[in-house]
Amino acid sequence: GENVEQHPSTLSVQEGDSAVIKCTYSDSASNYFPWYKQELGKRPQLIIDIRSNVGEKKDQRIAVTLNKTAKHFSLHITETQPEDSAVYFCAASNNQAGTALIFGKGTTLSVSS
Amino acid sequence: GAGVSQTPSNKVTEKGKYVELRCDPISGHTALYWYRQSLGQGPEFLIYFQGTGAADDSGLPNDRFFAVRPEGSVSTLKIQRTERGDSAVYLCASSLIGTSAYEQYFGPGTRLTVT
Repeated sequence: GENVEQHPSTLSVQEGDSAVIKCTYSDSASNYFPWYKQELGKRPQLIIDIRSNVGEKKDQRIAVTLNKTAKHFSLHITETQPEDSAVYFCAASNNQAGTALIFGKGTTLSVSS
Repeated sequence: GAGVSQTPSNKVTEKGKYVELRCDPISGHTALYWYRQSLGQGPEFLIYFQGTGAADDSGLPNDRFFAVRPEGSVSTLKIQRTERGDSAVYLCASSLIGTSAYEQYFGPGTRLTVT
């Protein structure tokens, strides 16, 4: 089955810096890669996703890149703000008729002002 | 519109007891998923419903776990003979099935503590 590895497990940056979180996956059939942000005690919130037919997607300060050959994808947050502090999870699925998401173990991002 | 809701938000039970956790998906979402999240980990898939039927239950850890969705909307996750290792946050998610059907939206979860 699919296995998703996520690095780093913790990341500390200064406000205004960029943050990059990387994930690798094992199943070449995976074709959908969402990213979730989870604040303490809250539900995971979908912040951006990418499908296998594109290599990059951007939404304001957030971007995701996908390299299908290498089986890795990354989340890029620019101009970080204290409110970006949270746990970020990557996930992968072979999304035919709604299959399960396989999550990484998460990255705790701390943005200090 | 209303998001995914789950009840109760917290449940404390004694080892060996039976518990039911409820999920109300987003209206119109035909797909419903249950995940379990242990402290410091990502959500772990348990079961997926398409309509009323369980399309994939490969993530259920053992036969003490069971879930139903009798009318294709609300779902109940049932755990028999609870064990301390069942303590976790149980998350429900829902999605559409269609051309833009991939996005799964999560509920706030039920924190289950087995004492």
